[in-house]
Amino acid sequence: GESVGLHLPTLSVQEGDNSIINCAYSNSASDYFIWYKQESGKGPQFIIDIRSNMDKRQGQRVTVLLNKTVKHLSLQIAATQPGDSAVYFCAVPNAGNMLTFGGGTRLMVKP
Amino acid sequence: KAGVTQTPRYLIKTRGQQVTLSCSPISGHRSVSWYQQTPGQGLQFLFEYFSETQRNKGNFPGRFSGRQFSNSRSEMNVSTLELGDSALYLCASSLGMDEQYFGPGTRLTVT
Repeated sequence: GESVGLHLPTLSVQEGDNSIINCAYSNSASDYFIWYKQESGKGPQFIIDIRSNMDKRQGQRVTVLLNKTVKHLSLQIAATQPGDSAVYFCAVPNAGNMLTFGGGTRLMVKP
Repeated sequence: KAGVTQTPRYLIKTRGQQVTLSCSPISGHRSVSWYQQTPGQGLQFLFEYFSETQRNKGNFPGRFSGRQFSNSRSEMNVSTLELGDSALYLCASSLGMDEQYFGPGTRLTVT
């Protein structure tokens, strides 16, 4: 089955710097990927997604890069702010709405 | 538009008891999925209901069950609680096969 892994459990960045969160996936047939943000006491919140026919997608201050060759995706957050402090998950949809989540990376923003 | 609501938000139960958690999806959403979140296992898919039918099921024992009502509200039940069932239980709703919106979760503690 699908497994999704994250490279770093915790990432600490200075406010204003750029953040990069990485994720590896195992199923080369996966064609859709999602990034979620989970703040303390809340459920995961959709940030951005990307389909396998793209290698880059940009949102507001966020960019997702997909490298299908090495089955890796990354989330880049520009000018990281204190409000970006949260746990970030990559997720891969499988049958129906079943999501397989990565282990999560905790982003800590230092003022 | 109101978001996904889950009740109760916090629950303490004793081993061997059973528990029922409730989820009200966003108005108009017909798909409800349930996830278990623990520090050790991360976010794991439990099951998904669409139009009162279970569409997908994760790899959890039969003690975990769910149902969906005609108004799309969903409940999940855990019987014969074990200490390892202590977790944050998250519900997510979607229109169909698209973006899922998560509720804040129910924090279950089994003592």
